[in-house]
Amino acid sequence: EPEVTQTPSHQVTQMGQEVILRCVPISNHLYFYWYRQILGQKVEFLVSFYNNEISEKSEIFDDQFSVERPDGSNFTLKIRSTKLEDSAMYFCASSVQGGTEAFFGQGTRLTVV
Amino acid sequence: QQQVKQSPQSLIVQKGGISIINCAYENTAFDYFPWYQQFPGKGPALLIAIRPDVSEKKEGRFTISFNKSAKQFSLHIMDSQPGDSATYFCAANKAAGNKLTFGGGTRVLVKP
Repeated sequence: EPEVTQTPSHQVTQMGQEVILRCVPISNHLYFYWYRQILGQKVEFLVSFYNNEISEKSEIFDDQFSVERPDGSNFTLKIRSTKLEDSAMYFCASSVQGGTEAFFGQGTRLTVV
Repeated sequence: QQQVKQSPQSLIVQKGGISIINCAYENTAFDYFPWYQQFPGKGPALLIAIRPDVSEKKEGRFTISFNKSAKQFSLHIMDSQPGDSATYFCAANKAAGNKLTFGGGTRVLVKP
C-alpha cells in the first residue's frame, strides 16, 4: 500500500541551527502538507503546497519556515533558525486533490536543545 | 470560526462497549469531515470520512453520524476492542480546501 515516508524519524538540533525535514509523498498525489503536533496536543496545520507553490499557510508558518519540492519525489520543510518552541512532531501529508483524503507520514520528532 | 471542538478529552470503555466521540464546528464552508486514529509515536491514520450530503456512514465497527443543522458530527465505535485504544481526532476541510482543521483529540482506553 502506498504511504508517505518521512526522514529522519528523530532529529535533535541546537537552538539557532537550521533543520531540513524530508518527505516523500504518495506518488500520484498532487497536494502536499506539513502539520505539527506539540506533545499531547492537537495536530496543527502549517502549510499546503500545490503546483510548486504555497497554496495556504498558517500563522505559525512565519519567515523562519520554508518548503520546497526540489525534485519530482521529495518535499521538504526547512526551519532556518530553530527555537525551543519548535520542538514537536512534524507530519507530512499528501492528497490527490484538495478537500479529499489526506494521508499522513509517521512523523519526524524534532527536539531543539 | 475555524475551530473544531471535540469532546470528551478522554474516554474509558469496557471491551465490547460503544465509544462515542463528538465534534462541533462553526464554519459552514466546511464540506469534508474525516476522523483520524493515532497511536503513540505514529502519524494520524485516516479512519472514516463523511460529507454533508449524508447523515450517516458506516465502515465495519465505525460509524459517523452527521447533523448539518446542528453543525455536529460524531464517531461511534461499536464492539470496542483493546486494539482500538488510541487517540481519535475529528477534522474538517472546505470543499477543494487545502487544510484540515483538527479537533483537540480524544484519548480512548478500552479495558479488557
